[in-house]
Amino acid sequence: DTAVSQTPKYLVTQMGNDKSIKCEQNLGHDTMYWYKQDSKKFLKIMFSYNNKELIINETVPNRFSPKSPDKAHLNLHINSLELGDSAVYFCASSPQGMGNTEAFFGQGTRLTVV
Amino acid sequence: SQKIEQNSEALNIQEGKTATLTCNYTNYSPAYLQWYRQDPGRGPVFLLLIRENEKEKRKERLKVTFDTTLKQSLFHITASQPADSATYLCALGGGADGLTFGKGTHLIIQP
Repeated sequence: DTAVSQTPKYLVTQMGNDKSIKCEQNLGHDTMYWYKQDSKKFLKIMFSYNNKELIINETVPNRFSPKSPDKAHLNLHINSLELGDSAVYFCASSPQGMGNTEAFFGQGTRLTVV
Repeated sequence: SQKIEQNSEALNIQEGKTATLTCNYTNYSPAYLQWYRQDPGRGPVFLLLIRENEKEKRKERLKVTFDTTLKQSLFHITASQPADSATYLCALGGGADGLTFGKGTHLIIQP
């Protein structure tokens, strides 16, 4: 019974395409996140979403947009994919934002743009 | 801007010894500091959280210290085992945007 699940696990697509990654958590948490881990393994936050409040990392291109149909889901939409978008994307959730509680991560989605 | 530094190179430790990993930070005053473990192809897994008013936290063979004056956390694994081999990530929290991660230290426990 996976706590944070994301699909797909692997995604290979061509430049210019639009794609989505889905994330669901069954922990009842209030806050969900998207992180990007690049080839150097640096894990960088992209979005934080808490009770319909979206906090965006200012370095994230506006081609990336999170969408939350309900508290248990936070999907990531990417438009006009570029080669530099290739990375592993992790969804996570925590009971609260603010970093004062543990975060639970999904298994990651490896995105390869060709 | 905030900066978190961890030993970015691999740390080789002999089985049975204590592994000590370092996390230093600048331009930040975190209220919380967390440590995570990440195995290849998996997401990070939470290990320990320590608050700014705590000096030390223990969990089984793990110990974390937090020195807000030095702006440093030390993560210790005692009686290390090959199964402890992984990348260990330090993360700072307390802002509205959740956790900020360091680049991690790749720990190798040699039998």
